Amino acid sequence: SQQGEEDPQALSIQEGENATMNCSYKTSINNLQWYRQNSGRGLVHLILIRSNEREKHSGRLRVTLDTSKKSSSLLITASRAADTASYFCATVALYGGSQGNLIFGKGTKLSVKP
Amino acid sequence: NAGVTQTPKFQVLKTGQSMTLQCAQDMNHEYMSWYRQDPGMGLRLIHYSVGAGITDQGEVPNGYNVSRSTTEDFPLRLLSAAPSQTSVYFCASSPGTSGTSSYNEQFFGPGTRLTVL
Repeated sequence: SQQGEEDPQALSIQEGENATMNCSYKTSINNLQWYRQNSGRGLVHLILIRSNEREKHSGRLRVTLDTSKKSSSLLITASRAADTASYFCATVALYGGSQGNLIFGKGTKLSVKP
Repeated sequence: NAGVTQTPKFQVLKTGQSMTLQCAQDMNHEYMSWYRQDPGMGLRLIHYSVGAGITDQGEVPNGYNVSRSTTEDFPLRLLSAAPSQTSVYFCASSPGTSGTSSYNEQFFGPGTRLTVL
C-alpha cells in the first residue's frame, strides 16, 4: 500500500514563482526522501530528511518535516522551466510489512511555464 | 562509473512468454530493488535484496522471481507474462552497511518499458 501521498497531484506555475508540494504518510519513519522524475527517465534523488530533523536546505530546495502530523513539504524557490517534472516523496518505514524499504507516493506533476 | 544500468530499454512480449530484465550496478551497493511504475500508481516495490544471496518480496511480487548471485547483478524474471505486467520497471541500488543500506538514497536505472500483448 502507498505510504506517502503527495498533494497537489498537479501544479502549474510561471517561471520565477515558488512551488510547494506536500506529502503525508501513515506510519513512523526513519527518514523521508524526495525524488524528481523527468518525463521518460529514471528517478533522481533530491534530498533526504531524517525523522529527528525539522528542516533541510539544498540549493533552491527547502524540505520540512513534521513527524507529529506525519507530513512533509518540498519548496522549490525561483522555479525554472527545467524544474518541470514529477516529484515523489518516499518514506522508509520503521515498522510493519514495508519496514526498511523505500515506499513511494503517487507524485506531484509540476509544470513551470516560461 | 556507469551507475545503475538496465537492459533492455523496451520490450514487447506475448502473453505466456517469459523473459529476464537485467540490472547491474558498479558502485558496490549492498541493497538493490525492483519497482514497477504504472500511471497514477506511483512506484511499487516488487522484490529487493540486502546483499548477495539474500532476496525478499516487496508489495507486488506475484509473477516475478529474482536472484542475487553477485553484488553487481539483480535480474528480474517474468515467469509467464500477463497483460497486467505491462509497466515501466525500474531497478535501484543503495549504499550503506548491512541492515540499514535501504535507509539511504537510492540510485535508479533508466527503466525498461515492457508491453505484454
